[in-house]
Amino acid sequence: KQEVTQIPAALSVPEGENLVLNCSFTDSAIYNLQWFRQDPGKGLTSLLLIQSSQREQTSGRLNASLDKSSGRSTLYIAASQPGDSATYLCAVFRTNAGKSTFGDGTTLTVKP
Amino acid sequence: ETGVTQSPTHLIKTRGQQVTLRCSSQSGHNTVSWYQQALGQGPQFIFQYYREEENGRGNFPPRFSGLQFPNYSSELNVNALELDDSALYLCASSWTIDTQYFGPGTRLTVL
Repeated sequence: KQEVTQIPAALSVPEGENLVLNCSFTDSAIYNLQWFRQDPGKGLTSLLLIQSSQREQTSGRLNASLDKSSGRSTLYIAASQPGDSATYLCAVFRTNAGKSTFGDGTTLTVKP
Repeated sequence: ETGVTQSPTHLIKTRGQQVTLRCSSQSGHNTVSWYQQALGQGPQFIFQYYREEENGRGNFPPRFSGLQFPNYSSELNVNALELDDSALYLCASSWTIDTQYFGPGTRLTVL
């Protein structure tokens, strides 16, 4: 059974800091890994998708890496801003039939 | 805005009742997935529909069922509601298993 763990559960940083969010998973037989952002009471917004054969993806100030052999992914946020405050979730997709396992998220607060 | 809409926004039911939640997919998407998200936890995959057929299911009992219509809108039906069914229900549409676009969710409270 796939298990996804995100550490830390909560993180508070001053504006401008670079930060790393961690995601670990127990079964390396994955289809892809995705990082999402969720604002309070809202749906999820897809940030980055890394295919099983890829090592990293970048979008603007965000960079996600994937190491299947160690069962780890990291989300790097450069020059954090107050608008980045949200819960960040990683999800591992096991097949192309959408069978996914989500972590419980890291709640990020960026203080002005 | 993702173009995925869900209705209703909030819903209150009592234990034992049945509920139907609706999702309208983003135009052109042929795949819809449903998730249950309890407070403070990540979403849990319920099932996925591809071209009106269920093609993947998580660890949810048969009283959770769904439909996808020819216009790719979708329904999630839950029978015999239990208190633990209280959660945010999310649908997500996509073109196959690429990037998923989530709706805002339906908050279900079971009393």
